[in-house]
Amino acid sequence: AQTVTQSQPEMSVQEAETVTLSCTYDTSESDYYLFWYKQPPSRQMILVIRQEAYKQQNATENRFSVNFQKAAKSFSLKISDSQLGDAAMYFCAYRSVENYGQNFVFGPGTRLSVLP
Amino acid sequence: DAGVIQSPRHEVTEMGQEVTLRCKPISGHDYLFWYRQTMMRGLELLIYFNNNVPIDDSGMPEDRFSAKMPNASFSTLKIQPSEPRDSAVYFCASSFRAYPGELFFGEGSRLTVL
Repeated sequence: AQTVTQSQPEMSVQEAETVTLSCTYDTSESDYYLFWYKQPPSRQMILVIRQEAYKQQNATENRFSVNFQKAAKSFSLKISDSQLGDAAMYFCAYRSVENYGQNFVFGPGTRLSVLP
Repeated sequence: DAGVIQSPRHEVTEMGQEVTLRCKPISGHDYLFWYRQTMMRGLELLIYFNNNVPIDDSGMPEDRFSAKMPNASFSTLKIQPSEPRDSAVYFCASSFRAYPGELFFGEGSRLTVL
């Protein structure tokens, strides 16, 4: 079974600075999706960015980018020019596209604080 | 589209009462997931459906929990009888099988069992 690990329970960053959140996963599959979700205090889960495993190019969405290292099974999220509104729990998630079930597996989350 | 719709947003009940949480997925999505989130255990998958058929219910805590999906536009999660340890936020989420494959979450139902 796949597992997703986020080794940083909490992180903090100064406003306007850059922060990187770590995520590693374990799988024997070659094709899958990876996601970062954000959960602010409002508790709504919001998709931040997605990456298809067959794509070598790292995904980017405005101030958010990923460093996808397939061989290392690593999928880190970089937030540039951090804003107060970026403060939230961030979850890394894995989705199989090979198995029929296609379950999502979530990491335990990293709580990000943004300091003014 | 209105997104995934869950009701109620908040529910306070007493131990032993039956609780029913409801979910309307995004139209056309063929996967529906129920998650439970607590501070202690994080985000736990309870059950998921594909084309209205339960695929994996191994996350359902015990027989007090049951979930149904009678059609493509409606699902329920029922707890009977409820216990204080069931207090949590319950999320419903839906997805396409195919690309882009992301989960769309509802706003969650916060359950408090006294």
